[in-house]
Amino acid sequence: SQELEQSPQSLIVQEGKNLTINCTSSKTLYGLYWYKQKYGEGLIFLMMLQKGGEEKSHEKITAKLDEKKQQSSLHITASQPSHAGIYLCGAERQGGSEKLVFGKGTKLTVNP
Amino acid sequence: DTEVTQTPKHLVMGMTNKKSLKCEQHMGHRAMYWYKQKAKKPPELMFVYSYEKLSINESVPSRFSPECPNSSLLNLHLHALQPEDSALYLCASSRIQGISYEQYFGPGTRLTVT
Repeated sequence: SQELEQSPQSLIVQEGKNLTINCTSSKTLYGLYWYKQKYGEGLIFLMMLQKGGEEKSHEKITAKLDEKKQQSSLHITASQPSHAGIYLCGAERQGGSEKLVFGKGTKLTVNP
Repeated sequence: DTEVTQTPKHLVMGMTNKKSLKCEQHMGHRAMYWYKQKAKKPPELMFVYSYEKLSINESVPSRFSPECPNSSLLNLHLHALQPEDSALYLCASSRIQGISYEQYFGPGTRLTVT
């Protein structure tokens, strides 16, 4: 089954700093989702990457997919307290199963 | 409207109670999902409905009974739950079932079984 390893597990940064969160898969990645979750709330869809080398940006968040490395990275530029939360990567469990599995999440704290 | 709503927001129930969780979306999505999320863990898939038919059941105990009465509504009926079933229950929907279609999540129902 698809295993997703996220690093770091938690991250504390000062407001204005840049940061990167990584998601590494034990199997080939066919599609990779990034979600953000505030404690005890639902998941907010951020981005979906499907092609190797694909890069997408939304406001100050950029995500890339490196198919060869079976890895995706999420980069936040000039972090703000509103960026705080838990970032989850999700991917297809196994080829063709259409089941989404998630990494364990990265907890981001942004200090003002 | 890209909203998935869930009611109730919080639910406390005894082990002999019967209760239901409700999920609604009006985005015209034809796939709807139930996930269970324990504290500090990622969400885990429970059920998938595609075009109002149960498509995936992730070997969930029968004390959880899903129902999809129409394309906008998804229910999760609960009966004889155990304290370890306490968790955040998340509903999601997507345009159709498939990994290429992003899932939109509701805010969740926080369930406590006493």
